[in-house]
Amino acid sequence: KQEVTQIPAALSVPEGENLVLNCSFTDSAIYNLQWFRQDPGKGLTSLLLIQSSQREQTSGRLNASLDKSSGRSTLYIAASQPGDSATYLCALTSGNTPLVFGKGTRLSVIA
Amino acid sequence: GAVVSQHPSWVICKSGTSVKIECRSLDFQATTMFWYRQFPKQSLMLMATSNEGSKATYEQGVEKDKFLINHASLTLSTLTVTSAHPEDSSFYICSARPGLAHRETQYFGPGTRLLVL
Repeated sequence: KQEVTQIPAALSVPEGENLVLNCSFTDSAIYNLQWFRQDPGKGLTSLLLIQSSQREQTSGRLNASLDKSSGRSTLYIAASQPGDSATYLCALTSGNTPLVFGKGTRLSVIA
Repeated sequence: GAVVSQHPSWVICKSGTSVKIECRSLDFQATTMFWYRQFPKQSLMLMATSNEGSKATYEQGVEKDKFLINHASLTLSTLTVTSAHPEDSSFYICSARPGLAHRETQYFGPGTRLLVL
């Protein structure tokens, strides 16, 4: 059964810092991996989707990498801003399972 | 493209009543729809998967007689919480996928917040 773990559970950084969020998974036979953002009390916003054949995806200040062999993905946020404060969720599909989510990392960027 | 809507966005009801939540794919046909539940400060947990015209497949621990799912058309799935109790209060999110393959992208609705008094 696929398990997705996100570390750290919470992170607080000063504005302007670069930061890395981590996601690990137990079954490396994945189809794709997505990073989502969720603001308090709101739904999900898809940030980046990496297909299993890809190593990374970039969108603006965000860069997500995928290493299937080690069962890891990272989300890199450059020059963090207070507006980046949210919960970031890693989710992936593999085998016979639809999207399985990690518990998320709650990010606070302090002005 | 690939927009999924949910209605209502929030609902408050009395204990013992039933609540219906709608999930619609607005610009594509959703062969498969999923219902997730999220408790405060927790992640999304899959409740059930439904394919159009078939009975839903429920995850372990989810009561199929309490959470009734209907996926009668390629653009609409409904989740009915029957005889709701305070412990059913949660954030319910649906997602839709054009095809049957898990490798396809799932598109998420904005969620419905349910509060049972």
